Amino acid sequence: QSALTQPRSVSGSPGQSVTISCTGTSSDVGYYNYVSWYQQHPGKAPKLIIYDVSERPSGVPDRFSGSKSGNTASLTVSGLQAEDEADYYCCSYAARGAFGGGTKLTVL
Amino acid sequence: EVQLVESGGGLVQPGGSLRLSCVASGFTFSNSWMTWVRQAPGKGLEWVANIKEDGSVKNYLDSVEVRFTISRDNAKNSLYLQMNSLRAEDSAVYYCTRDRVCNTFDYWGQGTLVTVSS
Repeated sequence: QSALTQPRSVSGSPGQSVTISCTGTSSDVGYYNYVSWYQQHPGKAPKLIIYDVSERPSGVPDRFSGSKSGNTASLTVSGLQAEDEADYYCCSYAARGAFGGGTKLTVL
Repeated sequence: EVQLVESGGGLVQPGGSLRLSCVASGFTFSNSWMTWVRQAPGKGLEWVANIKEDGSVKNYLDSVEVRFTISRDNAKNSLYLQMNSLRAEDSAVYYCTRDRVCNTFDYWGQGTLVTVSS
């Protein structure tokens, strides 16, 4: 069982914004700024889209942003596009199991 | 271009063994912590094991610690996962990943499927 809790699913219409939460503890998310987010399309390998809470790797659109407050990290996808429909996983240093359970983002 | 290419997956009976390999290119393998991550069919990502740059430190998921062994050969830019006493619950796609720092996995292979079934 993942130590990081994510909602099972979120949804939004094209152009809207959605936020996915990732709740840990004061020993992992709340303590370290090593929170990362991964996007996974069906049948594909995960892809790093956010690291160090809010940094974006080269090539990741700025529609993707990350933040943290207390023991909860968040991924916001702005200006939703059809290709954003995927599974999203958070990850934190020191979290038991490292990864959250994943969130399915549906673009309506 | 960064590449991580896994191989060695397949169908194995419960109690059997498999050795997964991952060949890396496009980055300095010998300076990188490496991690195996797996994903059971229809399930989420699961951290399995990691190994320090020089192989001197290894960490394992509790459920695999006495059955799996992670290793590396920096001269061959290769990462390995020896899996013994396999169980049905080990069935998954196994990904080779580079750990940039503190559980930040910036490079991923395409994965290799392991199926444990009689």
